[in-house]
Amino acid sequence: DAGVIQSPRHEVTEMGQEVTLRCKPISGHNSLFWYRQTMMRGLELLIYFNNNVPIDDSGMPEDRFSAKMPNASFSTLKIQPSEPRDSAVYFCASRSTGTDTQYFGPGTRLTVL
Amino acid sequence: DQQVKQNSPSLSVQEGRISILNCDYTNSMFDYFLWYKKYPAEGPTFLISISSIKDKNEDGRFTVFLNKSAKHLSLHIVPSQPGDSAVYFCAASAYAGNMLTFGGGTRLMVKP
Repeated sequence: DAGVIQSPRHEVTEMGQEVTLRCKPISGHNSLFWYRQTMMRGLELLIYFNNNVPIDDSGMPEDRFSAKMPNASFSTLKIQPSEPRDSAVYFCASRSTGTDTQYFGPGTRLTVL
Repeated sequence: DQQVKQNSPSLSVQEGRISILNCDYTNSMFDYFLWYKKYPAEGPTFLISISSIKDKNEDGRFTVFLNKSAKHLSLHIVPSQPGDSAVYFCAASAYAGNMLTFGGGTRLMVKP
């Protein structure tokens, strides 16, 4: 299996621009998670989906962040407009229903100038 | 309020010796615990887990101990190898299939 795939691996953009991060979960996994890792806050959960439906988005920082999962094999995390404080590594993870082990992608390092 | 805490941000150990990484939690509803290892520029990878019905789980050089009364778990690596140098995260969930709450991580450095 290819594992969780994320793209791009690195993104550098200017403040105010729209950023879209992409994730392809492991085939057959029913749950998908978006995390953000920063030095200050560590690894924090932004949102997660079960069977393509958002279950908990309480970790989404503000309205500038949005996430979608149009089908079982694809999800996006969008930031519009982006700000320098959004600079972080964003991870996507997936999991089979009823299990606890999440499998992480390699992450997207976002830099907002 | 951090429900999962790793109070040691870093740990340095000599190759061949034991590494002990600690994790404390506050939520008594947590009943499943995991350890992840993370290398630079990679995502966290699952290492070992333990259910609250056990107090020990062993997998090769890695052993996780759970002390429910103290709300404390630890990861033992013995013998430690330079390739074990990474950031280790503990995580907890309140019931099967629920979301994970992660600690802040401990950076382990194993010196040759």
